[in-house]
Amino acid sequence: DAGVIQSPRHEVTEMGQEVTLRCKPISGHNSLFWYRQTMMRGLELLIYFNNNVPIDDSGMPEDRFSAKMPNASFSTLKIQPSEPRDSAVYFCASSPGQGMTLHFGNGTRLTVT
Amino acid sequence: GDSVTQMEGPVTLSEEAFLTINCTYTATGYPSLFWYVQYPGEGLQLLLKATKADDKGSNKGFEATYRKETTSFHLEKGSVQVSDSAVYFCALSPNNNDMRFGAGTRLTVKP
Repeated sequence: DAGVIQSPRHEVTEMGQEVTLRCKPISGHNSLFWYRQTMMRGLELLIYFNNNVPIDDSGMPEDRFSAKMPNASFSTLKIQPSEPRDSAVYFCASSPGQGMTLHFGNGTRLTVT
Repeated sequence: GDSVTQMEGPVTLSEEAFLTINCTYTATGYPSLFWYVQYPGEGLQLLLKATKADDKGSNKGFEATYRKETTSFHLEKGSVQVSDSAVYFCALSPNNNDMRFGAGTRLTVKP
């Protein structure tokens, strides 16, 4: 089991650029979550999917953020345009559903200059 | 809404000391409760969980008891090791649809 795979591991970009973060959940898991972690705000839930369908996106900061899950094995989180305040570590996690144990990827550290 | 509040850190202990990290929750129903641990440069990992009142979750010498009367889920370990240094997160799942995390408590254990 390869675990949850996120890419890239690090991303440095300039303000105004588009950023796309990628996630491959564990095979067979039917729930997928995107979290953002910062020193100031801790771990924030941005959005989660059940069976590829977005269930709750109330944590998405604003319209610059969008997330998709076109199939059970892939999800993206896009920021367009990016701003320096978006700098954070973004985690993807998946769950088999029952018992709600989340399995986290190692995160993408995003720096927007 | 449903949420957890955990003690602020950082916490610094000597090896073999007793550890307690407090966590209390607010929920309208009967959530499942969790402790996750995050080591440097990694994502969170499940440490233990409890799904109903009076359940005790335990793993790697850590334990926590789901206390409905005090709405608490405090994490304890009798003798910490240097390798336990990490950030610990209390979390709840209110309806088995999502997961709400506390702010995290950084633990440093010194030899």
